Amino acid sequence: EPEVTQTPSHQVTQMGQEVILRCVPISNHLYFYWYRQILGQKVEFLVSFYNNEISEKSEIFDDQFSVERPDGSNFTLKIRSTKLEDSAMYFCASCREQKNYGYTFGSGTRLTVV
Amino acid sequence: DAKTTQPNSMESNEEEPVHLPCNHSTISGTDYIHWYRQLPSQGPEYVIHGLTSNVNNRMASLAIAEDRKSSTLILHRATLRDAAVYYCILRDPNSGGSNYKLTFGKGTLLTVNP
Repeated sequence: EPEVTQTPSHQVTQMGQEVILRCVPISNHLYFYWYRQILGQKVEFLVSFYNNEISEKSEIFDDQFSVERPDGSNFTLKIRSTKLEDSAMYFCASCREQKNYGYTFGSGTRLTVV
Repeated sequence: DAKTTQPNSMESNEEEPVHLPCNHSTISGTDYIHWYRQLPSQGPEYVIHGLTSNVNNRMASLAIAEDRKSSTLILHRATLRDAAVYYCILRDPNSGGSNYKLTFGKGTLLTVNP
């Protein structure tokens, strides 16, 4: 069964450093998303991406965050200057179309900011 | 998005059926009912979705009330691997343009006893 692949599975970074989280969505999917989950809390929407542009972003997704789909297969989330409160699981998801399909989520990247 | 209400937790025994309820009294006529689950330390996983009719797939069945104000996810024979948080989410694919983001609540924590 096709999978969404995320790398790395765990990243530790110093506060103020830039991190890039990588995702390879399912190849025939058209809609891409990033979510995050702080330990013990709800899964929160960050951003959606369609047709090579951001279609919606949440309040969490401020100027420190950016997304890219540089080569038609990878989908990346960059955090420019990490803060302690950015520590969370980050999940990438993709979806083929809106009505008749569910999302497929990756296994996540655990980001720890120290 | 319309709101859903789920019990915080439920318990079941292995190999017995499980009925996970969800109330959504403010559902609109075009909202689809989605169910996802999240196993420990993993990303959310699509389970099933439906609009008006009951739905079956290899993972579960979805029973939708005639007035659509409630639904029930049915796991026919619970296994230890079904222990997870189950989320009931409403989404209208015709709203929000190409966004189609999912909004997660707290879900129901299902414990399966051996």
